[in-house]
Amino acid sequence: NAGVTQTPKFRVLKTGQSMTLLCAQDMNHEYMYWYRQDPGMGLRLIHYSVGEGTTAKGEVPDGYNVSRLKKQNFLLGLESAAPSQTSVYFCASRSGLQFFGPGTRLTVL
Amino acid sequence: GEDVEQSLFLSVREGDSSVINCTYTDSSSTYLYWYKQEPGAGLQLLTYIFSNMDMKQDQRLTVLLNKKDKHLSLRIADTQTGDSAIYFCAESLYGGATNKLIFGTGTLLAVQP
Repeated sequence: NAGVTQTPKFRVLKTGQSMTLLCAQDMNHEYMYWYRQDPGMGLRLIHYSVGEGTTAKGEVPDGYNVSRLKKQNFLLGLESAAPSQTSVYFCASRSGLQFFGPGTRLTVL
Repeated sequence: GEDVEQSLFLSVREGDSSVINCTYTDSSSTYLYWYKQEPGAGLQLLTYIFSNMDMKQDQRLTVLLNKKDKHLSLRIADTQTGDSAIYFCAESLYGGATNKLIFGTGTLLAVQP
């Protein structure tokens, strides 16, 4: 079991560029989540999914879109990146317990 | 509202016990978790406790839950330098289809040799 994996690990974007972060899990979990982590603010929920084909907004959804076309994958998209989206992004999945991926460090210049 | 609070920093000497505290506000929490994050790494689930329990022990880790005061603590016995990390408390809320975790801001544990 690879658990929860995220690609890429690091990325630098210019303001206005777009990108997609990929999260994959091989534990057959229904629930998947995208968080961002910023200094002094803990983890904040961006979007989540309770199953294939479903998505819902979390705490800080603005500027992000998500898709869950396959149960094992949860994609996070930034259509027009802004410096305020510089952060570390964590994906998680859960059945009972929640497990996290290793994170993607994104810098928007 | 949903809120989880932790102190920001704790410094201990190697071999001492560490106690990291957390308070939460939502009485409907079902599970409470402790995660560990080492520098540059993701979050590692350390331990968890179900809300109808008072205590859970797992090797060097002891979790205490005071549901009346909505207070959770993590005690690490015989703290080692490898325990230096940020520790996040999180509560799990079951409501509708959310099943989401609410995280505290994290406590940085610094272990002095």
